[in-house]
Amino acid sequence: QKEVEQNSGPLSVPEGAIASLNCTYSDRGSQSFFWYRQYSGKSPELIMSIYSNGDKEDGRFTAQLNKASQYVSLHIRDSQPSDSATYLCAVIAGGSQGNLIFGKGTKLSVKP
Amino acid sequence: NAGVMQNPRHLVRRRGQEARLRCSPMKGHSHVYWYRQLPEEGLKFMVYLQKENIIDESGMPKERFSAEFPKEGPSILRIQQVVRGDSAAYFCASSQQGPPETQYFGPGTRLLVL
Repeated sequence: QKEVEQNSGPLSVPEGAIASLNCTYSDRGSQSFFWYRQYSGKSPELIMSIYSNGDKEDGRFTAQLNKASQYVSLHIRDSQPSDSATYLCAVIAGGSQGNLIFGKGTKLSVKP
Repeated sequence: NAGVMQNPRHLVRRRGQEARLRCSPMKGHSHVYWYRQLPEEGLKFMVYLQKENIIDESGMPKERFSAEFPKEGPSILRIQQVVRGDSAAYFCASSQQGPPETQYFGPGTRLLVL
């Protein structure tokens, strides 16, 4: 059973701080990794995709991938109350036809 | 450029009825994926389709569920003889190319079975 694990939280950070979200995955053959944000009652919205080891930055968001450790993270700089949401880690497992395997999500709360 | 469209946004059915959920992918996208999100659960893959073809249905329950993506028109997820356990949010996603292209999600259909 291919799995994606996330700490369910809630993760609470003060406004302006860095929020760090972590994810591990079980399938060593996984090649593609995504972070989605989901507000309550809404659909998932893509934040970042990452395919290679290392860091990828986009505005206030930085994704990090370490395939050897089967670990992917998302860091949000200068966190805002509007960043309060559930963050979903998703992986396309090796050998699959391309469906996303999602973690259960980490709930982030940014306090003003 | 319109995003992924799903309708209806909310659907109420009584046990034993049929539910039909529709998904129109983003313009230029020919790959459609259906996912289900049960209350307090993560998103689970159901089926992956291209026009007129089912590519992967490994996540579909063996009975009562079917999906299609005809040459013309939206993709349809059909649930026959619904039960209370089918109550969930059903999301459709689309991509322009196949994996590992990014999948963009529609607003979802919230199905409630009474």
